[in-house]
Amino acid sequence: DAMVIQNPRYQVTQFGKPVTLSCSQTLNHNVMYWYQQKSSQAPKLLFHYYDKDFNNEADTPDNFQSRRPNTSFCFLDIRSPGLGDAAMYLCATSRDGLGQYFGPGTRLTVL
Amino acid sequence: AQSVTQLGSHVSVSEGALVLLRCNYSSSVPPYLFWYVQYPNQGLQLLLKYTSAATLVKGINGFEAEFKKSETSFHLTKPSAHMSDAAEYFCAVSPYGSSNTGKLIFGQGTTLQVKP
Repeated sequence: DAMVIQNPRYQVTQFGKPVTLSCSQTLNHNVMYWYQQKSSQAPKLLFHYYDKDFNNEADTPDNFQSRRPNTSFCFLDIRSPGLGDAAMYLCATSRDGLGQYFGPGTRLTVL
Repeated sequence: AQSVTQLGSHVSVSEGALVLLRCNYSSSVPPYLFWYVQYPNQGLQLLLKYTSAATLVKGINGFEAEFKKSETSFHLTKPSAHMSDAAEYFCAVSPYGSSNTGKLIFGQGTTLQVKP
């Protein structure tokens, strides 16, 4: 089945230690998104790629970076995680904006 | 600015009863509208979408929603609730109409509780 895969499902890191979250898709969608979701809140868009074009949301901290080496893969790098970055991170994809398809998420814990 | 309002952060129904989750939007252009469901520690699953075709949209798991332009609403319904429907539900609007980027604006979510 075509799908969006996120690895790992659970990630524990230490305060200030860089961490990378991974997303891959077999849907061949041209748009990929990264969201941050905190408890009992709606997902918050961090950035998205339209093909190779990177689009950062205005309020996304510089601590968050992303890479998309090819159509199928996208990475979220958190350069110096703080306690406030503990959250669920969701990857999503779409083709031409007609609905986004989400991965299962990565739960990040910062100690 | 475009926005989405979900009326009621918590909705409780009995098993077998009608489910009605309310969503109102504001948009200066005809929007695309979506309903997503999220189970604990899972990603969001697309239930259904309105993209300016039929105003009554049928989705997965027996859910449907009706786009009413005059009321700027896109309420989600299911005739008979099942215990497995207990989850968080998000209404979302894509405010750019035919824009290819498909950025979403989410409502704050509604937690559906189903009582036996």
